[in-house]
Amino acid sequence: EVQVAESGGGLVQPGGSLRLSCAVSGFTFDMYWMSWVRQAPGKGLEWVANIKEDGSEKNYVDSVKGRFIISRDNAKNSLYLQMNSLRVDDTAVYYCARLVGARPYWGQGTLVTVSS
Amino acid sequence: DIQMTQSPSSLSASVGDRVTITCRASQSIASFLNWYQGKPGKAPKLLIYAASSLQSGVPSRFSGSGSGTDFTLTISGLQPEDFATYYCQQSFRSPPTFGGGTKVEIK
Repeated sequence: EVQVAESGGGLVQPGGSLRLSCAVSGFTFDMYWMSWVRQAPGKGLEWVANIKEDGSEKNYVDSVKGRFIISRDNAKNSLYLQMNSLRVDDTAVYYCARLVGARPYWGQGTLVTVSS
Repeated sequence: DIQMTQSPSSLSASVGDRVTITCRASQSIASFLNWYQGKPGKAPKLLIYAASSLQSGVPSRFSGSGSGTDFTLTISGLQPEDFATYYCQQSFRSPPTFGGGTKVEIK
């Protein structure tokens, strides 16, 4: 059974930092690109970042470039998102997801609230 | 990036109605198309993957079709629990992209 579990969300002030983690089991983690997706309150789904199987390629949505860093540890079957210089409009539920392959897998999400 | 355009953005329907939602890709994505159901406070629920494969546990009233650039999600016999927002997502090329969503409301 595939399990995807995010952690690390919380309340942070504007300009602050937060690191999200995602633990994966049930598929061969190092064979797939992995993504972070977010959903702001009352808004649609927005892809945030993805990372190649070996970590050699990373992509970001324009709004987080230079502020967020995606990484992975294949030995630990884990995905990370380092979020710096957080803004109020980064407030959202953040999902770890495998969006490629035969079918997608998502976690249940972790809430990030940026507020003073 | 591949743009995904859903239509309509919202619709009103009654229990028992047949509902059709369309998703169009800005270029061919073969059958690399997934459909999700979104409800407030919950993670997106996968309904259909690879354009037409029904995810395990999803009622058979949900079906998907299409390939290339044009795709359809059909709900045959809308149920009260189906009132939600539906999203398409392409997995053909990085970055993965989502449609803007279709909100299905009670008439």
